[in-house]
Amino acid sequence: GENVEQHPSTLSVQEGDSAVIKCTYSDSASNYFPWYKQELGKRPQLIIDIRSNVGEKKDQRIAVTLNKTAKHFSLHITETQPEDSAVYFCAASIGPGNTPLVFGKGTRLSVIA
Amino acid sequence: DVKVTQSSRYLVKRTGEKVFLECVQDMDHENMFWYRQDPGLGLRLIYFSYDVKMKEKGDIPEGYSVSREKKERFSLILESASTNQTSMYLCASGRGAGGYTFGSGTRLTVV
Repeated sequence: GENVEQHPSTLSVQEGDSAVIKCTYSDSASNYFPWYKQELGKRPQLIIDIRSNVGEKKDQRIAVTLNKTAKHFSLHITETQPEDSAVYFCAASIGPGNTPLVFGKGTRLSVIA
Repeated sequence: DVKVTQSSRYLVKRTGEKVFLECVQDMDHENMFWYRQDPGLGLRLIYFSYDVKMKEKGDIPEGYSVSREKKERFSLILESASTNQTSMYLCASGRGAGGYTFGSGTRLTVV
């Protein structure tokens, strides 16, 4: 089955700097790659996603890139702010339809003011 | 506008008890999931369901069962709770090949 590896497990950046979190997946049939943000004591929330027919997607300060050949995808956060501090999870799924997401183990991002 | 509701935020149960965790979604999603979240281990899939009365095992189904009698409700059952089932349990729902909406989670402690 699918396996998703996520690095780093912890990341500290200064406010205003960029943060990059990387994930690799094992199954070349995976075609949907979401990212979730989980603030302390709260539920994971979808922040951005990308499908395999797209190489990059942006939404304000966050972007996701996908390299299907290398089977890896990354989350980029620019101009980080203290409210970006959270645990971020990547995930992958083999579509279409009813295949569950397989999650990475998470990255704890700390933005230092 | 809460869309996935888990019945309890915190639960404390004794070893050997039968435990029911309830999840209700109001988005008419076909797919529902139960994950377990532990520090350093991420989100691990316990069971999922694509339709009423259907269930599929995830990666760690041992010691758990599920019930889906209605489309909006997906219950996780711990047949005989053990201390190693102390964890945060997250329910999620989704439609097709897309993202999930998670519930707020139930932190279960088994003593």
